[in-house]
Amino acid sequence: KNQVEQSPQSLIILEGKNCTLQCNYTVSPFSNLRWYKQDTGRGPVSLTIMTFSENTKSNGRYTATLDADTKQSSLHITASQLSDSASYICVVSVPTQTDSWGKFQFGAGTQVVVTP
Amino acid sequence: GAGVSQSPRYKVAKRGQDVALRCDPISGHVSLFWYQQALGQGPEFLTYFQNEAQLDKSGLPSDRFFAERPEGSVSTLKIQRTQQEDSAVYLCASSLAPGTVGELFFGEGSRLTVL
Repeated sequence: KNQVEQSPQSLIILEGKNCTLQCNYTVSPFSNLRWYKQDTGRGPVSLTIMTFSENTKSNGRYTATLDADTKQSSLHITASQLSDSASYICVVSVPTQTDSWGKFQFGAGTQVVVTP
Repeated sequence: GAGVSQSPRYKVAKRGQDVALRCDPISGHVSLFWYQQALGQGPEFLTYFQNEAQLDKSGLPSDRFFAERPEGSVSTLKIQRTQQEDSAVYLCASSLAPGTVGELFFGEGSRLTVL
């Protein structure tokens, strides 16, 4: 079972509207939680990085929140634009006992389509 | 270069052929990761280098997969005797810091199609 679950799998929103994407993780403890945007046919691009002690981080119209107690994170997109159409991937950094470098656990992503 | 560069962007191989995928990370970046991404899925870890040392290759799916980073900069992912299930996008990412602390920069990926 994936340790990082994202919902919804996909959504369609009208241009100008807001939306919120969810990420639930079972990893504990963790080093940091990241949100990436991946345009079709491109590599992921970092939006936000939060350590376990942070509960919100903004990057323009993107705002990520983190609740370490419930192991949930959300990404809120404000006033969506056509260019926001992409896959949004939640990534949790997992410290391991045997590997000093840790690992990244990726969610499957939420596919967002913004329509005019 | 300014970002992580991967080549080729697209590769079509006949089943059984060997392929080599190249990753040129951001200059000075210590960490280099290879991921495999199937359509509609998140990236799956393949292997991790810290400078020239391959510290983790636990994600390589079989002994047909081999990766190297001999001088601690450019890395090559080689797949021998390709199979149809190897068809995927192969992403390379680099980071200035060791491990999972620093920001991760991804290349555009190499899309491999095995016929």
